[in-house]
Amino acid sequence: DIQMTQSPSSLSASVGDRVTITCRASQSISSYLNWYQQKPGKAPKLLIYAASSLQSGVPSRFSGTGSGTDFTLTISSLQPEDLATYYCQQSSLTPRTFGQGTKVEIK
Amino acid sequence: QVQLVESGGGVVQPGRSLRLSCAASGFTFNNYAIHWVRQSPAKGLEWVAVISSDGNNKYYADSVKDRFTVSRDNSKNTLYLQMNSLRAEDTAVYYCAKESMRRGPNDYWGQGTLVTVSS
Repeated sequence: DIQMTQSPSSLSASVGDRVTITCRASQSISSYLNWYQQKPGKAPKLLIYAASSLQSGVPSRFSGTGSGTDFTLTISSLQPEDLATYYCQQSSLTPRTFGQGTKVEIK
Repeated sequence: QVQLVESGGGVVQPGRSLRLSCAASGFTFNNYAIHWVRQSPAKGLEWVAVISSDGNNKYYADSVKDRFTVSRDNSKNTLYLQMNSLRAEDTAVYYCAKESMRRGPNDYWGQGTLVTVSS
């Protein structure tokens, strides 16, 4: 199975800060990398697919880059409603696998 | 709008069975593969199974193989997960999630249903 490793596991930042989360795959997954946001008590919500494509309706402050094994999710200007846990997922091979999550807190 | 609604969760004793359902609406159900994903505090998000749009191809996580069976009824726009020989480590919130395209993301998720395996 492909292992997905996210870092950091948690972070605390102020409103307006630029936030970066990284995800590393244990082998190349081309651009089959997706990012999800999960708020407490809710289902995951798709933010970014194919490494860098913004899902419809998602604010443009979210962006994704990377290919192969190294990927990044960036929030350009953190907002209070961005309080959540963020997960990466590879959809290159079955079984699909997820990172362990990055919990984003607001200072 | 796309909706996926899971049901059938509850408390069950180890070794017993449970069947989850996922009712879909707002899209052409028989055009899309659907996944089951579960989430527990111990393991985070864990992919469980996938079934192809026509129901002919099914894949399972090693942790549930030979115990869980995924199926679908395209005439009823409903997905199922039959869970047998349940174990404590199967305790989780179970989500059904639509696949947008082959090797694409899971673009829509249900709200989840909680399964607790406990004596």
